[in-house]
Amino acid sequence: DVKVTQSSRYLVKRTGEKVFLECVQDMDHENMFWYRQDPGLGLRLIYFSYDVKMKEKGDIPEGYSVSREKKERFSLILESASTNQTSMYLCASSLWWGRAGYEQYFGPGTRLTVT
Amino acid sequence: DAKTTQPNSMESNEEEPVHLPCNHSTISGTDYIHWYRQLPSQGPEYVIHGLTSNVNNRMASLAIAEDRKSSTLILHRATLRDAAVYYCILRLQGAQKLVFGQGTRLTINP
Repeated sequence: DVKVTQSSRYLVKRTGEKVFLECVQDMDHENMFWYRQDPGLGLRLIYFSYDVKMKEKGDIPEGYSVSREKKERFSLILESASTNQTSMYLCASSLWWGRAGYEQYFGPGTRLTVT
Repeated sequence: DAKTTQPNSMESNEEEPVHLPCNHSTISGTDYIHWYRQLPSQGPEYVIHGLTSNVNNRMASLAIAEDRKSSTLILHRATLRDAAVYYCILRLQGAQKLVFGQGTRLTINP
């Protein structure tokens, strides 16, 4: 079974703190994604990566950065957390679309509260 | 990105079939139709996808209109566990990302 794990289910941080959200997948997937989910706004893509050290901006990258030093690990970084970044953060992974397999596998999510 | 339109919510009864509609009138010839669902307190999970022909798998069936401007996800025999938000998504061939809309919240009555 594909497994996507996220470092925390719940996280509380203070405004201005640097926050790291970690995601690990165990299926040797090329693609990894970070989304945030807010009521009424649905899932929105923040960043994705299609290879180690490669990244592309999604629809809402402002205030976030990412790091992918190893194929299985994709980190989302909030350089200076703000209250409007309080949200559910979801990580996903998938094979490269050009190959067989069209599924994105999601982790359980991290509910981040910034106070 | 081509857009999809889904009803905000639907309700059905346990052990009955459910037909979840999706309109995508601006679909292009190379857009794939994907369905995902999100159970309460979980991340989304893949359900099914197709391009032109109808598709079946162990979870559901996907019926695609001949002109491809609409599609229907069919759950043949709904269970309480099928209560979720269902997302219909178009993905351009070769694109590496999905764009999620608001989805349809499906309620299953016992």
